[in-house]
Amino acid sequence: KAGVTQTPRYLIKTRGQQVTLSCSPISGHRSVSWYQQTPGQGLQFLFEYFSETQRNKGNFPGRFSGRQFSNSRSEMNVSTLELGDSALYLCASSPGRPRGTLQETQYFGPGTRLLVL
Amino acid sequence: SQQGEEDPQALSIQEGENATMNCSYKTSINNLQWYRQNSGRGLVHLILIRSNEREKHSGRLRVTLDTSKKSSSLLITASRAADTASYFCATDAGNTGNQFYFGTGTSLTVIP
Repeated sequence: KAGVTQTPRYLIKTRGQQVTLSCSPISGHRSVSWYQQTPGQGLQFLFEYFSETQRNKGNFPGRFSGRQFSNSRSEMNVSTLELGDSALYLCASSPGRPRGTLQETQYFGPGTRLLVL
Repeated sequence: SQQGEEDPQALSIQEGENATMNCSYKTSINNLQWYRQNSGRGLVHLILIRSNEREKHSGRLRVTLDTSKKSSSLLITASRAADTASYFCATDAGNTGNQFYFGTGTSLTVIP
């Protein structure tokens, strides 16, 4: 099976602009999560989508949003970019259990490196 | 913050030696996972240990979990240059679904 893919791999934007990042999960996976990685804050959870619904959300401002499509592909959007949004954005997929409480192995994509100038 | 912390932050060893890194976390968990990241790329899952397990092995990896101390350790035996990477522990948020808190990471350098 093909792994998790993310596009684009690199992106340069200026403050105030908005950006959309895309993630295609492993075929058959229904859960997609997004993380932000920065040298100062490390890896921080943004949100998780399962069956087109946001199931969990981290502590990020409303400028960060996401969605999931019926084919499980996911996008995340950041509006009104700030310098501090420069980071590696990682997407992870897992098979997804509808009601399970036991968490699953996450399969990560290569990430999108965003630079805000 | 529920983020875990790895110790040490950086570790440098000779090829063939064992590497041990530790993770401490703050709240009760269902499971704990270890991941490896090579130079700013995506993370690779190494091993998952459930809260009712105390030790788990996978190849050259050995993970222990002490829920009473809220800590875990990852041992890599007979290290290789290819093991050079950052290692992270990840704990669940105690809710349904896949929300994880990642530690600060241990940067391991294996010198050939």
